[in-house]
Amino acid sequence: EDQVTQSPEALRLQEGESSSLNCSYTVSGLRGLFWYRQDPGKGPEFLFTLYSAGEEKEKERLKATLTKKESFLHITAPKPEDSATYLCAVQGTSGNTPLVFGKGTRLSVIA
Amino acid sequence: DTGVSQDPRHKITKRGQNVTFRCDPISEHNRLYWYRQTLGQGPEFLTYFQNEAQLEKSRLLSDRFSAERPKGSFSTLEIQRTEQGDSAMYLCASSLNQDPGYTFGSGTRLTVV
Repeated sequence: EDQVTQSPEALRLQEGESSSLNCSYTVSGLRGLFWYRQDPGKGPEFLFTLYSAGEEKEKERLKATLTKKESFLHITAPKPEDSATYLCAVQGTSGNTPLVFGKGTRLSVIA
Repeated sequence: DTGVSQDPRHKITKRGQNVTFRCDPISEHNRLYWYRQTLGQGPEFLTYFQNEAQLEKSRLLSDRFSAERPKGSFSTLEIQRTEQGDSAMYLCASSLNQDPGYTFGSGTRLTVV
């Protein structure tokens, strides 16, 4: 069974204080690893897809990296508007498996 | 196209009542997914459609839950005889074939009192 574990559950940063969020996963065969951002009361918003170990993707202050067992979402010099819950999900290669999500990391950036 | 639309945004119902939610996916997307999310948890898969065919259902989807996607366009999720444990955000997402990165709607928040 595919599993995703995210850490920490919650993270509080000062504005400008860089940090990383972790996503550990187990999957029989990885088709893709996904990062989403979710604001309170809204649906998840797609950020990145990573397909193979060593791959990196960047968007503004966010950079996602992937190894064979985990992914990191690095946040450089965060701003208060980066405050949100960040969700990690995996999709396996067997059949038409849907995305399996972790519980998310709740990020708060304080001005 | 303005993305995935869900209606209603909020629903409060009494225990034992039936409720129905609607999802309108992005028009060219042939796959549609339903997820459920409770407070502090990630979305949990319920079911998905390819065109009008329901291809997979989670063990979470009890007999009280039914989903349809007539004509492969919009979808409805009905919960019969609601229970307090059904209180959650119900999320709909769509994608084109097996493209990565589902597009999610804003969800329907259900509160069973």
